Amino acid sequence: GDSVTQMEGPVTLSEEAFLTINCTYTATGYPSLFWYVQYPGEGLQLLLKATKADDKGSNKGFEATYRKETTSFHLEKGSVQVSDSAVYFCALIPGANNLFFGTGTRLTVIP
Amino acid sequence: SAVISQKPSRDICQRGTSLTIQCQVDSQVTMMFWYRQQPGQSLTLIATANQGSEATYESGFVIDKFPISRPNLTFSTLTVSNMSPEDSSIYLCSAAGTGRADTQYFGPGTRLTVL
Repeated sequence: GDSVTQMEGPVTLSEEAFLTINCTYTATGYPSLFWYVQYPGEGLQLLLKATKADDKGSNKGFEATYRKETTSFHLEKGSVQVSDSAVYFCALIPGANNLFFGTGTRLTVIP
Repeated sequence: SAVISQKPSRDICQRGTSLTIQCQVDSQVTMMFWYRQQPGQSLTLIATANQGSEATYESGFVIDKFPISRPNLTFSTLTVSNMSPEDSSIYLCSAAGTGRADTQYFGPGTRLTVL
């Protein structure tokens, strides 16, 4: 079935460090891929998305590239800030509009 | 984008009682969804609620336990019935258009604790 496997956390980085959160997926057909972020005490927000192979989604300095050959959608940011501390969820829509979420990765950035 | 509000934001309930959670969208949307986020875990889809039709439930969720209403294009309710401590979770609603890759916008969630 359709699923998302996400890098286990928690992840702790110093400010200005490089961030990678791995995400791989299993799906039939050509899913759309998403990264959502949940800041402390807040609801889920869309961070970025990609709808077809080789698309790159980007927002707020975060990027992820839809890699069909490796079935991956890794999240990256070149220089993290304390304000990036949150839980990050990788997700996919395989066909209908049902979102399948990964388990989430908690990121803590320390000054 | 759509702005979604939920009521209540949190509640503490006794075992055996029921709670109805309301979800209001600031614009008309075709599809609304209800998710559960158990402590320390990811989101799991409970059901899809489309206006004018019965909700579609995911495996492991049944209408008797989680009845859903969708009376119009901006509003939905989820009831958690005959609650037990295992129902303690955050319940989130989301809304989307009809496009396959349409972004789902999420409400802030309702944090439910069952004693």
